[in-house]
Amino acid sequence: DAKTTQPTSMDCAEGRAANLPCNHSTISGNEYVYWYRQIHSQGPQYIIHGLKNNETNEMASLIITEDRKSSTLILPHATLRDTAVYYCIVSLNQAGTALIFGKGTTLSVSS
Amino acid sequence: DAGVIQSPRHEVTEMGQEVTLRCKPISGHNSLFWYRQTMMRGLELLIYFNNNVPIDDSGMPEDRFSAKMPNASFSTLKIQPSEPRDSAVYFCASSRMTSGGYNEQFFGPGTRLTVL
Repeated sequence: DAKTTQPTSMDCAEGRAANLPCNHSTISGNEYVYWYRQIHSQGPQYIIHGLKNNETNEMASLIITEDRKSSTLILPHATLRDTAVYYCIVSLNQAGTALIFGKGTTLSVSS
Repeated sequence: DAGVIQSPRHEVTEMGQEVTLRCKPISGHNSLFWYRQTMMRGLELLIYFNNNVPIDDSGMPEDRFSAKMPNASFSTLKIQPSEPRDSAVYFCASSRMTSGGYNEQFFGPGTRLTVL
């Protein structure tokens, strides 16, 4: 079973920041927080991952609380193309490891 | 790079028939994953291979399902006999295990299977 809890759906206005929360209270010390997204009918796509420090890349920012029990994915300027299902996953930080997907959050960006 | 290639993209078959789904991972990748996605159950991991060796097949629903990876560039997922409840989108994903690497999996476009 997935070790994360996410809201089922969220809405965001185009151009605004989208903040997607995730709870992972049972995360282990050697587990990382990963985010993937799935645009309609496509395969999931990696976004970002982190252990305990905040991370940023060209797609998004990841904020992890100090106790590591929750995190927030931030899309700074959401566009219509960011409409997708966003999955928060707890995983070991190495390739060749299984990803266990939960239900994710459906983000709807509207103009 | 062509990305992960899956074939066929769509498959419609009748109950009881054998179905074979195919996957070509990204060149140089040495981990391969098979997932199934339905509205009811979401995205489920079926089986995965590291260096062509099956690591965990606990997600394979029944003995009707089998998967092989005869070499680093090809994998198959077979369902025999197929049943209507097997209707789903089947995704293949690959990744490369390297020192210092992380768990980024690259997904194919999926095969939409319909069993009548």
